[in-house]
Amino acid sequence: DQQVKQNSPSLSVQEGRISILNCDYTNSMFDYFLWYKKYPAEGPTFLISISSIKDKNEDGRFTVFLNKSAKHLSLHIVPSQPGDSAVYFCAAIRIQGAQKLVFGQGTRLTINP
Amino acid sequence: GAGVSQSPSNKVTEKGKDVELRCDPISGHTALYWYRQSLGQGLEFLIYFQGNSAPDKSGLPSDRFSAERTGGSVSTLTIQRTQQEDSAVYLCASSPSPGLAFGEQYFGPGTRLTVT
Repeated sequence: DQQVKQNSPSLSVQEGRISILNCDYTNSMFDYFLWYKKYPAEGPTFLISISSIKDKNEDGRFTVFLNKSAKHLSLHIVPSQPGDSAVYFCAAIRIQGAQKLVFGQGTRLTINP
Repeated sequence: GAGVSQSPSNKVTEKGKDVELRCDPISGHTALYWYRQSLGQGLEFLIYFQGNSAPDKSGLPSDRFSAERTGGSVSTLTIQRTQQEDSAVYLCASSPSPGLAFGEQYFGPGTRLTVT
C-alpha cells in the first residue's frame, strides 16, 4: 500500500527554468508534508515542509504547493541551478505517535546547462 | 557540529550470516529512526526510538531484524540469517524532541548492505 507516490522517476530541466516535481498521497490523516533532497552516497537532507492546513510555503527558490482536495503536492524550484541536480523525495508525516516519515519513490532531477 | 554517522559504509555478507549496523546520532537528539532503501524504492521506515520509551518496531519486516539503543545514544540494527532481499541501503536519522519542526530528520550517509 503505497501511501505516497511520485509517478515521475526522472525529470530533466534547463538551467534557469522552473522545475516542478509532483507527489500524490492517499492518507488524508497526514499532518505535514516534506521534501527531501538526496545526493549520491549521502543521506537525504531536509528541504522544505508544509502543514496540512496551508496551501503554500515558500523558501527562497523553493515553493511547495498543497492541494488537499486532490491529495496532491508539488515542489517548484525557480530558477533551477546545476546544483539542484539530485533525487527529490516527497514525504508525509502524522504528528501522533512515532512521527515516522512515509516516503515516495523519489524523482531524479537533472538540470542541464 | 558532527552529523549523524553510520558504520560500516559498505557491508558485503554471505546469505545466512548475521550483520550489525551502527548509528551515532547527533548529540542531544532524543529521537532515532532506522529506514532502508531498496533498489528503485523509496525509504521504508523500520524502527523508532524516543528517549527511554519502548521503541516502535512496527516497520521491521521480520523477526530476523532487531535494534537497540544504548544509553539513549548509539543504536545498532542487527539482521540475523541475512537473505538476498535484505540487500539495501540502511539509513539512520535523528531528530530533536518531538513537537519541534515536525518531520525534520537528520540522516546519516547510510550503510549499503549486499547479501550474496
